[in-house]
Amino acid sequence: QKEVEQNSGPLSVPEGAIASLNCTYSDRGSQSFFWYRQYSGKSPELIMSIYSNGDKEDGRFTAQLNKASQYVSLLIRDSQPSDSATYLCAVDPSSASKIIFGSGTRLSIRP
Amino acid sequence: DTEVTQTPKHLVMGMTNKKSLKCEQHMGHRAMYWYKQKAKKPPELMFVYSYEKLSINESVPSRFSPECPNSSLLNLHLHALQPEDSALYLCASSPSMGQNTDTQYFGPGTRLTVL
Repeated sequence: QKEVEQNSGPLSVPEGAIASLNCTYSDRGSQSFFWYRQYSGKSPELIMSIYSNGDKEDGRFTAQLNKASQYVSLLIRDSQPSDSATYLCAVDPSSASKIIFGSGTRLSIRP
Repeated sequence: DTEVTQTPKHLVMGMTNKKSLKCEQHMGHRAMYWYKQKAKKPPELMFVYSYEKLSINESVPSRFSPECPNSSLLNLHLHALQPEDSALYLCASSPSMGQNTDTQYFGPGTRLTVL
């Protein structure tokens, strides 16, 4: 089992709809969770960090964390074509002082 | 300001060349990282410096040699690379590197091509 798993996609969502990206992790002791957006040929850009169970909202983005079920998700409301990118989930496992990246989900927003 | 800068943006080198990648941050962060990223893959951790000391080396070949001259600078010295080392090299920094890893901020990367 991979430490951090994401569906590779592509996930195609119509413009204006809600895009839902999911991530599961294996280390139950993980404490910190991050979502990065990466455009093709560019570096990862931090979108959200979340540390506690529940929802965290920032503009059109909402991160959801459920430690009991070991999943973290990212919702993007009112999706725009500029949201088309690869979204990387990253988790800080308790076993190591570094973050582990998932393989990323490619999101495509269609007009 | 959450800016990490990297130079050069692009680098083409032969297998016998020696070159260096540079990374700089002025956020007072005490942990700095080198990652390698191949196309359509997530970043792979190479090295971590914490308080200017090498704390993680992910079994990277010796043709990659990191250096941390001070708390703001991180270099990656390259020598005798192979074509399969061609990738995007990313530098990142975070406030610290403790049990709960702080948020990492990435630089724009250096696109390296080895001929």
